[in-house]
Amino acid sequence: GQQLNQSPQSMFIQEGEDVSMNCTSSSIFNTWLWYKQDPGEGPVLLIALYKAGELTSNGRLTAQFGITRKDSFLNISASIPSDVGIYFCAGQLGAGGTSYGKLTFGQGTILTVHP
Amino acid sequence: DGGITQSPKYLFRKEGQNVTLSCEQNLNHDAMYWYRQDPGQGLRLIYYSQIVNDFQKGDIAEGYSVSREKKESFPLTVTSAQKNPTAFYLCASRVTGRSTDTQYFGPGTRLTVL
Repeated sequence: GQQLNQSPQSMFIQEGEDVSMNCTSSSIFNTWLWYKQDPGEGPVLLIALYKAGELTSNGRLTAQFGITRKDSFLNISASIPSDVGIYFCAGQLGAGGTSYGKLTFGQGTILTVHP
Repeated sequence: DGGITQSPKYLFRKEGQNVTLSCEQNLNHDAMYWYRQDPGQGLRLIYYSQIVNDFQKGDIAEGYSVSREKKESFPLTVTSAQKNPTAFYLCASRVTGRSTDTQYFGPGTRLTVL
C-alpha cells in the first residue's frame, strides 16, 4: 500500500529559529494535509493543499504541495515554545472515485523548542 | 459549539472484555472515520462510514466492529479478538466542498488493557 516517509523524525531547536519538515510518497496524492498534535489530544488541522505547486500560509506556517504530487513540505518561521508538539503530514487521493477520503499518514515529526 | 466529542477520555479494560468507544459529531458531516495511533507511529484507519447504515473496513479492522445508525454517531467496539488493543483511538469526520476536502479529529480515547 501507499506509504509516506516523513522527516526528520525529531527536531530540537532554539526559540526564534525556523523549522522545515517534509513528506515524500511512493504514489501521488490529490490532497496534502498538515496536522499538529499535542500530547494526549487529537490532531488539529494546520494547512490543507489541493493543487500541485500550491503554496499556502497560515500565520507563521507555510506549506507547499510538490509539483510531482508525491511530496509536501511544512515550514515554521520564528518558532515559539507553543510550537512544541508532533506534526503529521497526510495524503489523500481526494473526493470521488474509490478514495472514500482515506488519509495516509506520515510517522510524525516531534518538535521541541528550547526557550 | 460544533465539533466532535469522544468519550471516555481514558478507558481501562480487562483482557477478554469487549468495550465500546463513543464518537459524536454535530457538524452534519456524512463521512466518519476511526483511526488507531500507537506510540511513535502515524494514524491507521480501522473503519469508515460514508453514510448512515453503511460502513467499510479500513486497513486494520480485525478485532473491531462499528455501527452507524445515526448520522451524528459512530461508535467503535473493541472486541476480545483484538490481539493488542492498548492504543490511542481517534474519531474523525470529513467535510467536502467545492474547494475543500479535509478531516477533523476528536480529542481521542486512550484504551489500556490490564
